[in-house]
Amino acid sequence: AQSVTQLDSQVPVFEEAPVELRCNYSSSVSVYLFWYVQYPNQGLQLLLKYLSGSTLVESINGFEAEFNKSQTSFHLRKPSVHISDTAEYFCAVSERAGSEKLVFGKGTKLTVNP
Amino acid sequence: SQTIHQWPATLVQPVGSPLSLECTVEGTSNPNLYWYRQAAGRGLQLLFYSVGIGQISSEVPQNLSASRPQDRQFILSSKKLLLSDSGFYLCAWSVQTGYGYTFGSGTRLTVV
Repeated sequence: AQSVTQLDSQVPVFEEAPVELRCNYSSSVSVYLFWYVQYPNQGLQLLLKYLSGSTLVESINGFEAEFNKSQTSFHLRKPSVHISDTAEYFCAVSERAGSEKLVFGKGTKLTVNP
Repeated sequence: SQTIHQWPATLVQPVGSPLSLECTVEGTSNPNLYWYRQAAGRGLQLLFYSVGIGQISSEVPQNLSASRPQDRQFILSSKKLLLSDSGFYLCAWSVQTGYGYTFGSGTRLTVV
């Protein structure tokens, strides 16, 4: 069975600073990896995903994540954050073959301060 | 395009009352459907998933049940709510492994 660990429950940063949200996973099989973002009182939105190919994946709003198989990590980064990036971010993993079920981490609340 | 509808957005119910939350998907056929609960500080807990009409798998024992009467309809129910059923309930769908889920906007349930 897979598991996901998001090492930081809360990350406060100042506007225009860089940020990294950490995600490590555990699985005995090959996986797909996802990052979701949740704004207050809303559902989750897919931010980016790694399926195969280049280990660096990017979102349209400047976030990127790098799949590191040897370290079983999929950390999310942004070089310069905005106030509007304040949200909760969830890392998730699913098996490549078999169940479509996603296993989520407990989330990291990113707060961007002016 | 595919859309997912979830209602109501908020709900306040007394302990012991019944519950029915509905989720419908448009623009796709034979989706996998999921119910998650989100409690503060506990992340997302998968409650039920369904791969077809009438096929329901329960992930955790609890006071809730789910049904899928139609291909694109997923219902979460309870006969008698408990205080511990309070939380943010999210419905989601997927059609293909590796493409992740699309989530509904959620229902904030407060049991009083």
